[in-house]
Amino acid sequence: NAGVTQTPKFRVLKTGQSMTLLCAQDMNHEYMYWYRQDPGMGLRLIHYSVGEGTTAKGEVPDGYNVSRLKKQNFLLGLESAAPSQTSVYFCASSYWSGTTYEQYFGPGTRLTVT
Amino acid sequence: TQLLEQSPQFLSIQEGENLTVYCNSSSVFSSLQWYRQEPGEGPVLLVTVVTGGEVKKLKRLTFQFGDARKDSSLHITAAQPGDTGLYLCAGAKNISNFGNEKLTFGTGTRLTIIP
Repeated sequence: NAGVTQTPKFRVLKTGQSMTLLCAQDMNHEYMYWYRQDPGMGLRLIHYSVGEGTTAKGEVPDGYNVSRLKKQNFLLGLESAAPSQTSVYFCASSYWSGTTYEQYFGPGTRLTVT
Repeated sequence: TQLLEQSPQFLSIQEGENLTVYCNSSSVFSSLQWYRQEPGEGPVLLVTVVTGGEVKKLKRLTFQFGDARKDSSLHITAAQPGDTGLYLCAGAKNISNFGNEKLTFGTGTRLTIIP
């Protein structure tokens, strides 16, 4: 199992450009999440999905869109990048362990917007 | 609003010493998870505590959930350089409309163990 994979690992964008981050998981998990991690802010939830074809807003959704066309993939889009979106982005998927939903994270994408 | 406060933010100690990291909130959580994150990687789940007052041990790491399920602590005995990393706590709340849980992460404690 590869677990959760993310592409690309690094990206530099100019203000106003667009891009899509791809997350893939091979664990057959129903739930998937996109987070951003900034110094001193911890991990903040951007969007999440509870199954194929469904998405919902998290804590900081503005400026981002997502799609879950296939169960194993969760895409995060930036339509018009801004310097405030410079961050490290993590995708995660989760399953019900019997007592809680245990999340598995990808290795992250470091995005710089200039 | 940051619901989960971790302390200390940074901790640097000598190998062999003991340490405790705290995770505090004014909110009640259905469960609390602890993760460790190494540079350039995503967080990795260490443990989940569910019941108020619950204590779980993972080798030299001891995790405790507060009686009121609002706080937690992580105690490391005889720290080793391999314990170096960013430790994150995350509180889970039920999202009733989707039957899922939402995790709120703490700000993290960056731990460095000096050989």
